Amino acid sequence: GAVVSQHPSRVICKSGTSVKIECRSLDFQATTMFWYRQFPKQSLMLMATSNEGSKATYEQGVEKDKFLINHASLTLSTLTVTSAHPEDSSFYICSARDGMSHPSGNTIYFGEGSWLTVV
Amino acid sequence: GENVEQHPSTLSVQEGDSAVIKCTYSDSASNYFPWYKQELGKRPQLIIDIRSNVGEKKDQRIAVTLNKTAKHFSLHITETQPEDSAVYFCAVITGANNLFFGTGTRLTVIP
Repeated sequence: GAVVSQHPSRVICKSGTSVKIECRSLDFQATTMFWYRQFPKQSLMLMATSNEGSKATYEQGVEKDKFLINHASLTLSTLTVTSAHPEDSSFYICSARDGMSHPSGNTIYFGEGSWLTVV
Repeated sequence: GENVEQHPSTLSVQEGDSAVIKCTYSDSASNYFPWYKQELGKRPQLIIDIRSNVGEKKDQRIAVTLNKTAKHFSLHITETQPEDSAVYFCAVITGANNLFFGTGTRLTVIP
C-alpha cells in the first residue's frame, strides 16, 4: 500500500530554537496533507490543512506564525515549530490524501509521527 | 472546525462479547467516515470506513453503520478478543475536505 514517511521520529531541542518535521508521500501524489498534534491520552487535533502550492489553512487557535507549514510539492510537506517552548512538546503526525485513489479520492495515509521534546 | 463527538470514552467488555462505539458529527456535507485503531505513540491504523452513499459495511468481526439524517455513525465489534484492546477513533471528512477526529474510546477486552 501507499506509504507516508515522516522524519524525524524523535527530536529533542532547546527552548527558543526551531524544529522542522518532514512528511513525504513515497508512491503517490498527495493533493492534501494534514498536520495533527496529539497530547498523551488525547485525540488527534487538526492543526492545519495544506494543499500543494497554496497557503495552509489553520484551525482556530493554532498560530500560523509559530507553526509554519510548507507544501512545496505533491510529495512533501514540512511543519516547522518556531521558537519552541516546553509546552510545544507533543506527538506530531501528518497524513496525506491520495486524490487519485478510488472510488472518491478519500484514501488517507498517515506518517509514523514525530515525538518533539523541548527542554 | 467540525464537531465530532465520540462515546463512550472508555469501554470494558468480556472476551467474546460485542462492543459498540458511537460518533456524531455536525457538518451535513461530510462524506467519508473512517475508523482508526491507535496504539500509543504510533500512527492510526484504518480498520474500516464507510462513505456517505452507504448505510452499512461489514468486514469480518467489524461493522460500521451510518445514519446521515441523524448525523451519527457507529463501530460494532463482535466476538471481541484481547488483541482488540486499544484506543479507537472515529473520523470525518467534511464538505471542506478536512479530516477531523473524534475524542477516542479506550476499549479493554477482559479475558
